[in-house]
Amino acid sequence: AQSVTQPDIHITVSEGASLELRCNYSYGATPYLFWYVQSPGQGLQLLLKYFSGDTLVQGIKGFEAEFKRSQSSFNLRKPSVHWSDAAEYFCAVGDLYNQGGKLIFGQGTELSVKP
Amino acid sequence: DGGITQSPKYLFRKEGQNVTLSCEQNLNHDAMYWYRQDPGQGLRLIYYSQIVNDFQKGDIAEGYSVSREKKESFPLTVTSAQKNPTAFYLCASSRAPGQGVNEQYFGPGTRLTVT
Repeated sequence: AQSVTQPDIHITVSEGASLELRCNYSYGATPYLFWYVQSPGQGLQLLLKYFSGDTLVQGIKGFEAEFKRSQSSFNLRKPSVHWSDAAEYFCAVGDLYNQGGKLIFGQGTELSVKP
Repeated sequence: DGGITQSPKYLFRKEGQNVTLSCEQNLNHDAMYWYRQDPGQGLRLIYYSQIVNDFQKGDIAEGYSVSREKKESFPLTVTSAQKNPTAFYLCASSRAPGQGVNEQYFGPGTRLTVT
């Protein structure tokens, strides 16, 4: 069965430092991969997505993610974190053809930013 | 502006009462979804609908019901059979599978508290 694992429940980084949030997936076919961000008490906002092509994808708010098929990973990165990036981040995998467009979400990684 | 609205933002009910959460979208999306979010558990799919007058159970449908009489609307009823209904509920929509990219767009959520 498809699954998504975000190994880090909580990460703290200093403002201005670089960030990498890990995501590993288990999926039999070419995955459709997403990263979402959620501020407390709010809905989810799409940061970026990967379907095919260039394995390094750029998103909003200065985020990028790299798809590595050999490692079944889709890690999210940002070169310099801002205090406003503190939020919860969710990785998700979707199956366009076999699962009715459903997304399977990871457990989320909560990001705290130190001043 | 196009988007998804959920109302109310906060909802309080007594145990044993049914309650209906509203979700409306003006994105002209065919597919709509309901998720439940609990701390540390990510998002779990309750029900989804790919077209008007049709819907399917997700992973945790017991104790919930939905209807899809209009393309724009996908209300969720939390029944008295749901054993632990207190949670944050998120509605989402997307283009239907087969129409291309199926990223989901989320509403702001409804926090339901049952006492």
